[in-house]
Amino acid sequence: EVQLVESGGGLVKPGGSLRLSCAASGFTFSNAWMSWVRQAPGKGLEWVGRIKSKTDGGTTDYAAPVKGRFTISRDDSKNTLYLQMNSLKTEDTAVYYCTTTYYDFWSAYRDYWGQGTLVTVSS
Amino acid sequence: DIVMTQTPLSLSVTPGQPASISCKSSQSLLHSDGKTYLYWYLQKPGQSPQLLIYEVSSRFSGVPDRFSGSGSGTDFTLKISRVEAEDVGVYYCMQRIHLPSTFGPGTKVDIK
Repeated sequence: EVQLVESGGGLVKPGGSLRLSCAASGFTFSNAWMSWVRQAPGKGLEWVGRIKSKTDGGTTDYAAPVKGRFTISRDDSKNTLYLQMNSLKTEDTAVYYCTTTYYDFWSAYRDYWGQGTLVTVSS
Repeated sequence: DIVMTQTPLSLSVTPGQPASISCKSSQSLLHSDGKTYLYWYLQKPGQSPQLLIYEVSSRFSGVPDRFSGSGSGTDFTLKISRVEAEDVGVYYCMQRIHLPSTFGPGTKVDIK
């Protein structure tokens, strides 16, 4: 069974930092391109960024509102995805989901989301 | 960025009746590989989003066949042939052809 379990959310002051983790299991994490999506309270979904697999270059891409402040990384030895968030703003308050989508060995489409972790930026 | 719009933004449906949601993108979602990267998600109250339809019209594993997707280029539609009580939530279309991936504003569906 595939599981994505986010952790690390909490209350942080504006200008502060937080690191989120997403522990993955049940699939070959090292082959997966992983993404972060967030949802502000009562609002819609917003793509934050993604990281490719190392075999595909391991590069990252970010949404404009977080570029230069957020960093996505991965530790394939721990099957864990990270989101380092610096210079946090009140508008970063949201539930953060990690997610992945891929075609598996049998060409079946897969799409998985974690349960999300809440980040609240407030003084 | 590609802008995704959805209509209507809310929908109240009698159980057993059909429902339809429109999604339009500001640019074509047809890739040179022949695929169209348009997806439909449902977020039930208090839950993470769940995929319903991928690449315009392919039903995701386990999704009931009352859900169907259609469209091409920039105009897409999600149809529910007979709405059930468990279908309540917010429906989002999403594009993945260009970064940043973008979502529509969501269509809230509830039961009359």
